Amino acid sequence: GAGVSQSPSNKVTEKGKDVELRCDPISGHTALYWYRQSLGQGLEFLIYFQGNSAPDKSGLPSDRFSAERTGGSVSTLTIQRTQQEDSAVYLCASSSNANTGELFFGEGSRLTVL
Amino acid sequence: GEDVEQSLFLSVREGDSSVINCTYTDSSSTYLYWYKQEPGAGLQLLTYIFSNMDMKQDQRLTVLLNKKDKHLSLRIADTQTGDSAIYFCAETPQNNRLAFGKGNQVVVIP
Repeated sequence: GAGVSQSPSNKVTEKGKDVELRCDPISGHTALYWYRQSLGQGLEFLIYFQGNSAPDKSGLPSDRFSAERTGGSVSTLTIQRTQQEDSAVYLCASSSNANTGELFFGEGSRLTVL
Repeated sequence: GEDVEQSLFLSVREGDSSVINCTYTDSSSTYLYWYKQEPGAGLQLLTYIFSNMDMKQDQRLTVLLNKKDKHLSLRIADTQTGDSAIYFCAETPQNNRLAFGKGNQVVVIP
């Protein structure tokens, strides 16, 4: 596709369930980012992938959060045993050059934990 | 540091100018960015300024940079309803991460 694609666009789940959020970056973009956007909190960095290098996981808020990127393309963010405070919009972005600030964002996955 | 601060809400009448402000902490930032987030959408790069510039004009947008005070502003001339959005400033990636402010919501009143 022409842009960054995320799925699902909306997810409602019960507390304690696991969820998987998917990101399909722009073809050829080597850098991929996950951010979390909570009401009034701005954008919180979660994790960064660059090519075949080890990911920068320093933004993940707890060990319930994990992410992988298969084949240098599609990425999945997994949240285990979801909590109500995990409710947020999860944004994925990709970039052709991690040294620039030009990120291309998907429309996000809105997660609601009941 | 990655501390980018923005004010939160601005309402403006259609046709007026709007100004959004941002302060940042990392004086070594090479580029500073403005992103726009329309309702229900992801962020989109709007414009950026190189740190050796004081001003950049791009059609209705004017970016002003005061490096001494680490202050960045975005002026939108002849504000239109399509300008209603959240605007984020960001500074040069540190450790490969782009640090965003909390965003400034602009509501354009017809």
